Amino acid sequence: DAGVIQSPRHEVTEMGQEVTLRCKPISGHNSLFWYRQTMMRGLELLIYFNNNVPIDDSGMPEDRFSAKMPNASFSTLKIQPSEPRDSAVYFCASSTSAHTQYFGPGTRLTVL
Amino acid sequence: SQQGEEDPQALSIQEGENATMNCSYKTSINNLQWYRQNSGRGLVHLILIRSNEREKHSGRLRVTLDTSKKSSSLLITASRAADTASYFCATDRGQAGTALIFGKGTTLSVSS
Repeated sequence: DAGVIQSPRHEVTEMGQEVTLRCKPISGHNSLFWYRQTMMRGLELLIYFNNNVPIDDSGMPEDRFSAKMPNASFSTLKIQPSEPRDSAVYFCASSTSAHTQYFGPGTRLTVL
Repeated sequence: SQQGEEDPQALSIQEGENATMNCSYKTSINNLQWYRQNSGRGLVHLILIRSNEREKHSGRLRVTLDTSKKSSSLLITASRAADTASYFCATDRGQAGTALIFGKGTTLSVSS
């Protein structure tokens, strides 16, 4: 199994631009999680889906962030417009339950 | 907000020594997990201990759980340079099917 796949691995953009991060979970996993990791705040849960349905988006910082899961094999996290404080590593993880989670390699986002 | 808090924040030891990391949490849990993160990579699941278990072993890892004190410890015996990484505890929120909450981690450095 290829594991959780994220793209791009690195993204550098300018303030105000739209950023779209992509995730392909492990086949057969029905839960998908988006996290953000920074030195200051550690690993924060942004949103998670069960069976493609958003369950808890209370961690989404503000309306500039949105996430979708149109099918069981694909999810996106969009930031529009992006700001320098959004710079972080964004991880996607999937699981068959809320127990063991399998993480992708992350997308390192830099907003100038 | 963080559910789990690891202690110490950083730990430096020599190869062959044991490393102990602690985690405290705030609310009741179904299970507690430990993850490892190598620099620049995603988190990797190490071990899960259920709330009705007190101790669990996996190779050189030993995890204990004290639900009365809301704390857990991870012991790595006979450490190796390859164990150098950040270690995170993660807890659920006491309900099956909910997302995990991660602490800020302990950074372990093992020198040869």
